[in-house]
Amino acid sequence: DVKVTQSSRYLVKRTGEKVFLECVQDMDHENMFWYRQDPGLGLRLIYFSYDVKMKEKGDIPEGYSVSREKKERFSLILESASTNQTSMYLCASSFVAGGADTQYFGPGTRLTVL
Amino acid sequence: GQNIDQPTEMTATEGAIVQINCTYQTSGFNGLFWYQQHAGEAPTFLSYNVLDGLEEKGRFSSFLSRSKGYSYLLLKELQMKDSASYLCAVRVLYNTDKLIFGTGTRLQVFP
Repeated sequence: DVKVTQSSRYLVKRTGEKVFLECVQDMDHENMFWYRQDPGLGLRLIYFSYDVKMKEKGDIPEGYSVSREKKERFSLILESASTNQTSMYLCASSFVAGGADTQYFGPGTRLTVL
Repeated sequence: GQNIDQPTEMTATEGAIVQINCTYQTSGFNGLFWYQQHAGEAPTFLSYNVLDGLEEKGRFSSFLSRSKGYSYLLLKELQMKDSASYLCAVRVLYNTDKLIFGTGTRLQVFP
């Protein structure tokens, strides 16, 4: 079974803090993704990566950065957290692009910024 | 622009059949996915359609019409555990796995 893990289920941070969200997958997947999920807005893609050290902006990259130094690990960084970044953050991974291969999601991190 | 529409909420009775619709207007199309997401949990894969027609998988079926930009997820013999959100997602480009998600349909199943 594919396993995608995220470093924390719940996180509370203060405005202005630097926040790191970690995601690890154990199935040698090429692609990794970071989404945020908000009521009424659904899942929105922040950043994705299709290879080590490669990254692509998603639909809402502002205020975020990412790092992928190893194939299995994809980190989301909030350089200076703000209250509008309070959200559920979901990491996902997939093997190859195209075809029926699906994205596998981690359990999510609920981040609250005070 | 990219737009995926689903009803926000639906209710149904245990044992019944429910159809959740999804319409999409995207710049490209290379497959449509349905995911199930229970409250507080990660989305899990239900089905994938890339060609027109019906894909059946046990109690769940998914249909696609590319010319109409339309899909539906059909759930038969509803059970209480089917109460969840159902997410429709479109893969826009062939050479990336980027998905555009709808806002999801929250289904409540009553006894």
